[in-house]
Amino acid sequence: SQTIHQWPATLVQPVGSPLSLECTVEGTSNPNLYWYRQAAGRGLQLLFYSVGIGQISSEVPQNLSASRPQDRQFILSSKKLLLSDSGFYLCASAGASGANVLTFGAGSRLTVL
Amino acid sequence: SQQGEEDPQALSIQEGENATMNCSYKTSINNLQWYRQNSGRGLVHLILIRSNEREKHSGRLRVTLDTSKKSSSLLITASRAADTASYFCATDASNYQLIWGAGTKLIIKP
Repeated sequence: SQTIHQWPATLVQPVGSPLSLECTVEGTSNPNLYWYRQAAGRGLQLLFYSVGIGQISSEVPQNLSASRPQDRQFILSSKKLLLSDSGFYLCASAGASGANVLTFGAGSRLTVL
Repeated sequence: SQQGEEDPQALSIQEGENATMNCSYKTSINNLQWYRQNSGRGLVHLILIRSNEREKHSGRLRVTLDTSKKSSSLLITASRAADTASYFCATDASNYQLIWGAGTKLIIKP
């Protein structure tokens, strides 16, 4: 079974500062990887997904970017944070089961002040 | 984009009672999944039902799927305090993406 490691768990950053959230996956190879954002009490908004190293698809125009430097590493970044970037960020992985079943990390709560 | 809609948005019941949550969606799907999220945590996959299935069981969970009505329900029987969480449905209509509902917040009162 897969395990997703996501860090940091909590982050408080000033407006205009950079961001780097990291996610690593254990227990599978060549997974599809996802970054979601969740507003308080709401569902999940897909930000990025990746089907392989260096392959990133963006779902919404935004202040964020993603990279996949290694097969099981997925990074969410920003050069300059906005207040609206605050939220709960979740990394997820879909393994080789054939069905698109996701395993999630524990999440990173970002507060931009 | 969000296509699933759960109802109710919130549900509060006594421990031991059954909890039913519903999910509606808009397009054809390959499968529909239910996930649970404890407060401030990541989501955990509960159960998957394929488009050619009508009912599926897993422990105290029972899921039904009606593709003609584009709807699904999740029944949790004999609820426990530990079932307190938010429950999300997600539909799989493509190879890479799940489409998520806004969730039902379930509170089990002791």
